[in-house]
Amino acid sequence: GNSVTQMEGPVTLSEEAFLTINCTYTATGYPSLFWYVQYPGEGLQLLLKATKADDKGSNKGFEATYRKETTSFHLEKGSVQVSDSAVYFCALSDNSGGSNYKLTFGKGTLLTVNP
Amino acid sequence: NAGVTQTPKFQVLKTGQSMTLQCAQDMNHNSMYWYRQDPGMGLRLIYYSASEGTTDKGEVPNGYNVSRLNKREFSLRLESAAPSQTSVYFCASTPSRGNQPQHFGDGTRLSIL
Repeated sequence: GNSVTQMEGPVTLSEEAFLTINCTYTATGYPSLFWYVQYPGEGLQLLLKATKADDKGSNKGFEATYRKETTSFHLEKGSVQVSDSAVYFCALSDNSGGSNYKLTFGKGTLLTVNP
Repeated sequence: NAGVTQTPKFQVLKTGQSMTLQCAQDMNHNSMYWYRQDPGMGLRLIYYSASEGTTDKGEVPNGYNVSRLNKREFSLRLESAAPSQTSVYFCASTPSRGNQPQHFGDGTRLSIL
């Protein structure tokens, strides 16, 4: 079956530090990959996505590259801000027939950015 | 521009009580999903509806039932609530075309005493 493994948190950084949150996956088909962000008390919001190998998703200074050879989709940001404090979820959508595009989530990584 | 709306936002139940969580989307999406979120567990799929008139079990369906009332609405029912069902419940929807992300509601925080 499909699975997503992301680095466990919590991760605590100072403002302007470099961020990496690791994510690796196992999938039977050719999945699409997503990063979602959850701010306190809110639902999940799509941060970025990549639909095929070597695609780079980017949004709000965050980036992630779909690496099929290493089955990875690591999230990076060059300079984090206090407002980036949230829980980040890596997810995959199995696009093979009959999957109905169900998402498989990692367990989430809590990021806290201090001023 | 409501997106996915969940009601109620908070609820406290006693063990054995029943209740229905409501979800509605105004994006004309075909597919809808119910997840639960527990600390350290990520989101786990309870039930989903690929299209109006169909429902299927997800990863953790026991103790729940669902109804896809129409294209807009997808409800989740707890017939006899148990403390293990204390969680945050999220509804999501997607057009069901390939590579389209899911859109989430703000969640229902449910406590069962």
